[in-house]
Amino acid sequence: AQSVTQPDIHITVSEGASLELRCNYSYGATPYLFWYVQSPGQGLQLLLKYFSGDTLVQGIKGFEAEFKRSQSSFNLRKPSVHWSDAAEYFCAVGPNRDDKIIFGKGTRLHILP
Amino acid sequence: DVKVTQSSRYLVKRTGEKVFLECVQDMDHENMFWYRQDPGLGLRLIYFSYDVKMKEKGDIPEGYSVSREKKERFSLILESASTNQTSMYLCATGQIYGYTFGSGTRLTVV
Repeated sequence: AQSVTQPDIHITVSEGASLELRCNYSYGATPYLFWYVQSPGQGLQLLLKYFSGDTLVQGIKGFEAEFKRSQSSFNLRKPSVHWSDAAEYFCAVGPNRDDKIIFGKGTRLHILP
Repeated sequence: DVKVTQSSRYLVKRTGEKVFLECVQDMDHENMFWYRQDPGLGLRLIYFSYDVKMKEKGDIPEGYSVSREKKERFSLILESASTNQTSMYLCATGQIYGYTFGSGTRLTVV
């Protein structure tokens, strides 16, 4: 069955430091992959998505993610985080057998000043 | 851009009340979804609809029902609210190329 795992529940980084959030998936073919961000009290906003082609995708707010088929991973990166990046981040994969997108449980990012 | 509007950001209801959560999308999307979000559990799908008057149960439909009389509107109904339904409720629309979410409704049942 298709699934997505975000191994880290919480991540803390200092402002200005680099960031990598991990995402692993289980999928039989080439999946569609997504990263969403949720600021406190808000809905989810799409950061970036991968369907095919170049395995390094650029998103909004300076984020990027790399699809690595051999590792079944789609990790999110940012070279230098800002205090406003503090939020919860969700990795997602689809479609599943019901043609839906499946979401990971999220990683909460904390930023130290 | 597709916009998804949830009518209330915060709601406080009493146990046993019938509660309606409303969601409206401004594009002509067939699919609409209701999720609840709880700490440590991520997003769990309650119900979804792929057309007017069509609905299917998600992973946690117990205690909920839905209504979709018009394409743009998808309502989540708590027939008799209970304290364990205190949660953040998120509406979404879209297809396998990506979903667009509303801002959420934080429901507290007391």
